[in-house]
Amino acid sequence: QVQLQESGSGLVRPLQTLSLTCAVSGVPISSAGYSWSWIRQPPGKGLEWIGYIYQSGRTFYNPSLNSRVTISADRSKSQFSLTLSSVTAADTAVYYCARERDYSSGSYYDYWGQGTLVTVSS
Amino acid sequence: SYDLSQPPSVSVSPGQTAVITCSGDQLGKKYVSWYQHKPGQSPVLLMYQDSKRPSGIPERFSGSNSGNTATLTLSGTQPMDEADYYCQAWDSNTARVFGSGTKVTVL
Repeated sequence: QVQLQESGSGLVRPLQTLSLTCAVSGVPISSAGYSWSWIRQPPGKGLEWIGYIYQSGRTFYNPSLNSRVTISADRSKSQFSLTLSSVTAADTAVYYCARERDYSSGSYYDYWGQGTLVTVSS
Repeated sequence: SYDLSQPPSVSVSPGQTAVITCSGDQLGKKYVSWYQHKPGQSPVLLMYQDSKRPSGIPERFSGSNSGNTATLTLSGTQPMDEADYYCQAWDSNTARVFGSGTKVTVL
């Protein structure tokens, strides 16, 4: 049974760095055919794709966040992480980690974490 | 960037059919997935590769994609189907995008 669990600080001060970790169980994060993603939902708004780390370690980010976001993975701990720098109130959101299953010309998110609320406030 | 537009809301009576659209430029040339999202819960995959249902998803959910519009159809809608629904596709080979979301209300 694949499970993902987010953890990290729920309160971040403006202009500081948001850090979250997603612990993965039930499947190695090095497994072929999968990427490991971060997605967020600001209060009252829709889902927003943040980025993902491919099995090879390559990363891809939402261009609107590209300069502030980093996704990394630690295969030995079976987890991957998100850092978002210089946060503002607009970064307040529920952050989800998810497994993205890749296939030719497409992909989908088949497993999600329960989500963690991060509030940016002084 | 690539935009996916959805109607903000759809209302349906129990037992009736709800149709949720997702529009984007030449969307029919991309694969679309759909997610159901209830308050306080994680999104759930409803449909992938336009029209394939994962194991455990009821047959009353169906999908299609052609031209500039993908469609999620809820047949015989039940009160438990009340939720937000999001489409998702590739913006490019490396970027992803979600639709704006549709709130389905079962009256």
